[in-house]
Amino acid sequence: NAGVTQTPKFQVLKTGQSMTLQCAQDMNHEYMSWYRQDPGMGLRLIHYSVGAGITDQGEVPNGYNVSRSTTEDFPLRLLSAAPSQTSVYFCASSWDFNSPLHFGNGTRLTVT
Amino acid sequence: GQQLNQSPQSMFIQEGEDVSMNCTSSSIFNTWLWYKQDPGEGPVLLIALYKAGELTSNGRLTAQFGITRKDSFLNISASIPSDVGIYFCAGQLVQGAQKLVFGQGTRLTINP
Repeated sequence: NAGVTQTPKFQVLKTGQSMTLQCAQDMNHEYMSWYRQDPGMGLRLIHYSVGAGITDQGEVPNGYNVSRSTTEDFPLRLLSAAPSQTSVYFCASSWDFNSPLHFGNGTRLTVT
Repeated sequence: GQQLNQSPQSMFIQEGEDVSMNCTSSSIFNTWLWYKQDPGEGPVLLIALYKAGELTSNGRLTAQFGITRKDSFLNISASIPSDVGIYFCAGQLVQGAQKLVFGQGTRLTINP
């Protein structure tokens, strides 16, 4: 049982480049979300989805896009990377929005 | 955005000592969760609290959901080296969809 799988684990981008952070879960969870973790700031919600085809913005959505075409996958897209997006990104899932989250192991992104 | 004030930010203790940390907010929460994060990994759920006044234990860990629904604490008894890590509180707000708000984290260091 893999749980929540994130790829890649590490990524370095130049300012202006685009990329997609992948997230997949094999627990048939309806709810999925993306957080970023910065020193001293805890985890901040970027985007979330309550089911396939449904997404919504979290606390810090600017500069990021998401889509949810299947229950299993919830990719996070950076359209034009900026140094302020240097962070560790975590994907999480749960049965529904009332259930505790299960986290992936994170993607460490550096934008130069 | 909503904030959770988690304290202390860091703790340096001797093995065998008890640990206490807490989170407070000006907002009311439906749920309080406590997570632990090891280096290079995602947060892992320790304890979930769903009712005001609820006191829940998980081995050496004990957490309580404050009566006012605006605070929670986590205690760790007889600390051991594997307790080292960052502990996060998280709360689900009463209003709105899934808006899990995280504290800034407490970094626990144990001297053997």
